[in-house]
Amino acid sequence: DVKVTQSSRYLVKRTGEKVFLECVQDMDHENMFWYRQDPGLGLRLIYFSYDVKMKEKGDIPEGYSVSREKKERFSLILESASTNQTSMYLCASSLLRGQNQPQHFGDGTRLSIL
Amino acid sequence: QKEVEQDPGPLSVPEGAIVSLNCTYSNSAFQYFMWYRQYSRKGPELLMYTYSSGNKEDGRFTAQVDKSSKYISLFIRDSQPSDSATYLCAMSLITGGGNKLTFGTGTQLKVEL
Repeated sequence: DVKVTQSSRYLVKRTGEKVFLECVQDMDHENMFWYRQDPGLGLRLIYFSYDVKMKEKGDIPEGYSVSREKKERFSLILESASTNQTSMYLCASSLLRGQNQPQHFGDGTRLSIL
Repeated sequence: QKEVEQDPGPLSVPEGAIVSLNCTYSNSAFQYFMWYRQYSRKGPELLMYTYSSGNKEDGRFTAQVDKSSKYISLFIRDSQPSDSATYLCAMSLITGGGNKLTFGTGTQLKVEL
């Protein structure tokens, strides 16, 4: 079974802080994704990566950046946290680049910005 | 208009009922269709996926796709309290270097004893 592990289940930070969310997958997947999930809005794609050191913007990249230094690890960075970034953040991975296939999700990090 | 529309519910049914969950979509370029189940405070878990129009069955679950009507459904037979969760439809197309998923907002299902 694919395992996608997010480092924190719950996180509380203050406005203006730099926040790091970490995600690790153990199945040698090429693609990794970061989403946020909000009531009534569903899952929205922030960034994705199909290779080490590669990244692509999703639908809502503003205020976020990402880092993929190793194939198994994909980090989401909130450069200067704001209250409107309070949300559930979900990391996902899928096996091969350029193919239609399901994504496998971690259990999420519920982030509160005060 | 959203690319994928899904009735948010909540939907409440008695144990043993047949449940029908539905999504409509507007982008005919979607090629691949999935259903995820999400329990409270957990990540989405893949239930079923299919490429083609028609039905695909897995145990108590049947996924149905009608590309001509741009409509997909998930049927749950003999529903159980453990099926209580939010169900998300998702659709995929290849863009740039990878496949992007577009999700419905989810339907909350409660199966009562």
